[in-house]
Amino acid sequence: EPEVTQTPSHQVTQMGQEVILRCVPISNHLYFYWYRQILGQKVEFLVSFYNNEISEKSEIFDDQFSVERPDGSNFTLKIRSTKLEDSAMYFCAKGTVQETQYFGPGTRLLVL
Amino acid sequence: AQKVTQAQTEISVVEKEDVTLDCVYETRDTTYYLFWYKQPPSGELVFLIRRNSFDEQNEISGRYSWNFQKSTSSFNFTITASQVVDSAVYFCALSEDERGGADGLTFGKGTHLIIQP
Repeated sequence: EPEVTQTPSHQVTQMGQEVILRCVPISNHLYFYWYRQILGQKVEFLVSFYNNEISEKSEIFDDQFSVERPDGSNFTLKIRSTKLEDSAMYFCAKGTVQETQYFGPGTRLLVL
Repeated sequence: AQKVTQAQTEISVVEKEDVTLDCVYETRDTTYYLFWYKQPPSGELVFLIRRNSFDEQNEISGRYSWNFQKSTSSFNFTITASQVVDSAVYFCALSEDERGGADGLTFGKGTHLIIQP
């Protein structure tokens, strides 16, 4: 059974549209993370979320991005107005560095 | 600032050969954590190992082994008797403990391992 599930697995959107990517951790955990991987490149940290608040964010995580945990279980990443360069695989992860970070299967986002 | 370097972009070996993937890291913290993840063609990130900075013991898990050397800031990964199913991109990652995990992982660029039958 996976530690983290993500929906959708794939999403195609038009430039300028809003997208919401969802993550469902199987069990409750302290930290949740979003990462991005542009095709063929390395995995990049976007944001960490602790106790229902953003804990840390990278310079990639600008005003176009937001995260929330609306119902105490789902953990969402919203991109308000997508750009071509937002096309990437987006991974949700749970855990802490004192333990192990488990990654979800990812959502492949394509912006046209 | 923390940094992870995987100098080998791509390695191709014939099945049953041993192969070592290199990872060199930079950090100012004395407490930090190192990880290896495997990314097969299907795209998911599969956790392989986590090591903290105070544990320099080498680890072996089946055909996989890891060599952690603080003196050279390296955390290398060796696959013995490689198999075609080992073909994947392998990422080394680092996290400092200063903020208790808030900063997430810093990944290297990955090494694409190709095992030829």
